[in-house]
Order: sequence, then structure tokens, then C-alpha cells
Amino acid sequence: DGGITQSPKYLFRKEGQNVTLSCEQNLNHDAMYWYRQDPGQGLRLIYYSQIVNDFQKGDIAEGYSVSREKKESFPLTVTSAQKNPTAFYLCASDDPRDSKATDTQYFGPGTRLTVL
Amino acid sequence: EDKVVQSPLSLVVHEGDTVTLNCSYEVTNFRSLLWYKQEKKAPTFLFMLTSSGIEKKSGRLSSILDKKELFSILNITATQTGDSAIYLCAVAALSGSARQLTFGSGTQLTVLP
Repeated sequence: DGGITQSPKYLFRKEGQNVTLSCEQNLNHDAMYWYRQDPGQGLRLIYYSQIVNDFQKGDIAEGYSVSREKKESFPLTVTSAQKNPTAFYLCASDDPRDSKATDTQYFGPGTRLTVL
Repeated sequence: EDKVVQSPLSLVVHEGDTVTLNCSYEVTNFRSLLWYKQEKKAPTFLFMLTSSGIEKKSGRLSSILDKKELFSILNITATQTGDSAIYLCAVAALSGSARQLTFGSGTQLTVLP
């Protein structure tokens, strides 16, 4: 089955620790995205990558880092510098080069991070 | 800065009611407007709208876009408890060579039996 997987589903972290969230896709999409969702709010863009070995900051990149060494994988590290990391994290992908595709992005099931 | 505003923020109705959800936007380099339904985890795609005045319909859900007034509505008729979810509006725009989505804060719909 083609799709996007995220792991783990739930993650607990102590203050001051870095943690890495996994995102893998087998849709052969070039572009991948990380969003953060807080209660009562929409999705806010953290980082995005349009191609392997390249990524750009989104609206709320401070305290986060990413890498894109493989097309299929776009892990997100939440560092201790992120002041309020408890949130729901969603990974998405799409293929901007496909002129027949809709503008929709395909989302993974999300990781709920709680900082204790 | 691109902006998407949804209203109302939350809505409680009874089964069988009809609801209208609103989305207004201010973006540069508009490409399309998308509606998603989110039930506790990943948003699922409902509609993509690019042209003004053309209604998209899927069962009891329908949506229309007004590019002159910069808004869209999502209608749900004969609501069911399974329609309870957060409904997200997003606008796709070009940012340089990248296509990005800007999301509204969502409307939390609760349908009571």
C-alpha cells in the first residue's frame, strides 16, 4: 500500500531532551512537509523539503531541525530549544511537478508529543 | 503574510440539521482552496476549488468558491454523528517555486444524536 507512515504514534519526553520524529513515504513524492497542530488551531508549517538534500524553514522553524538524505524519509528533531514542544505533529508529502495532481497534500497519521 | 480565517470556531448541531462553514483568505499567488476533514488524526481531503462559482459536491457535502470576495463555504446537509470532526480550510499558493498550504484554525463541528 502506498502512503505515509509516522512513528511513534505517542511520544513522551522530559524537558531538555532532544527527540526525533520519523516520517517515511513510498508515494515517490519529491516534496515533504512537517506541520505542528495545537488545540483549537490549524496546521502551522515547520519545515519543508522540495528535493533530496534541500529543505527550507517554514513559519515556525525555531527549535526544530530536519534532514532529507533520502527521498522517502524526512525526520524532524525537536530540540531542547523549542520552548513549547507539546503538540500534534503531522508529516505530509506531494509531487509539485505533477501538473495533473491536485494541490492536496497527503498526510501521515501524526505523532502526539508530550513534554513532561 | 498569507492569512486564512475560518468561522465559526466551533458549532454544535443535532442530526438532520444543515450547517455552513466559512473560510475567508488573503494570499498572494493564489492557486486553489482546499477543504479537509480531520477526525482525531490525519486530515482527509474533501475538495479542491480553483474556479469561482463552480460548486463541488460529494454526497451531502458541497463547497463553492468566490474569488472576487475571497471566501469559500462548505455546506453539510442532513448532518450525521459521523460528520463530527474538525473541518480545515487551506489555501495553496506559490512561494517562489514552492507550492505551500496555509491553513485556517479549523471549525470544530459536533453533531448530537
